[in-house]
Amino acid sequence: AQKITQTQPGMFVQEKEAVTLDCTYDTSDPSYGLFWYKQPSSGEMIFLIYQGSYDQQNATEGRYSLNFQKARKSANLVISASQLGDSAMYFCAMREANTGNQFYFGTGTSLTVIP
Amino acid sequence: DVKVTQSSRYLVKRTGEKVFLECVQDMDHENMFWYRQDPGLGLRLIYFSYDVKMKEKGDIPEGYSVSREKKERFSLILESASTNQTSMYLCASSFYRRQGANQPQHFGDGTRLSIL
Repeated sequence: AQKITQTQPGMFVQEKEAVTLDCTYDTSDPSYGLFWYKQPSSGEMIFLIYQGSYDQQNATEGRYSLNFQKARKSANLVISASQLGDSAMYFCAMREANTGNQFYFGTGTSLTVIP
Repeated sequence: DVKVTQSSRYLVKRTGEKVFLECVQDMDHENMFWYRQDPGLGLRLIYFSYDVKMKEKGDIPEGYSVSREKKERFSLILESASTNQTSMYLCASSFYRRQGANQPQHFGDGTRLSIL
């Protein structure tokens, strides 16, 4: 079974609007971390935001927030006030605290911001 | 800032050649990783290492080997390059889980490898 599932291969959003990128995960480990990365067309992977499984509040970093619904095993990324520079691939990833040092990645969502 | 440096951004090689991709990190991370990225397939783990001279196979190790002689350096080797190994290769590093389970992986800029 896939550890991380991103069901939206491509998304479009109007500039200045908010957009939600979906991510669901599968784990039996009670302790885990969820990460979102941005990959512009230039190729580098940029870390955006982190959510721990025991964190009581949803993580926020500037215009990025994580809608963490533990019971549903979802960790959606919300980008508010989209900018043209947000056009990129976005990857969701998970690390399980007890089972090893691997990170599991989804297949990514390509976001295009329309002026 | 963490710096992960990959030796080449773009590389063109011929089938049958032995190819070396080098990666160096400056944050004293225990873990280092090599991924391959292809459109629609996301990141697939080739090999990772959690200590010097230690290595673990990932999801797609066939046709690849790795070397970690020093903590800061992790090399990916294509023993005999083939056209189906044309891809983007990403190196990453992170703390060992006990030191930082909440710490992200840090990535290099990637190497776009073409095998002709």
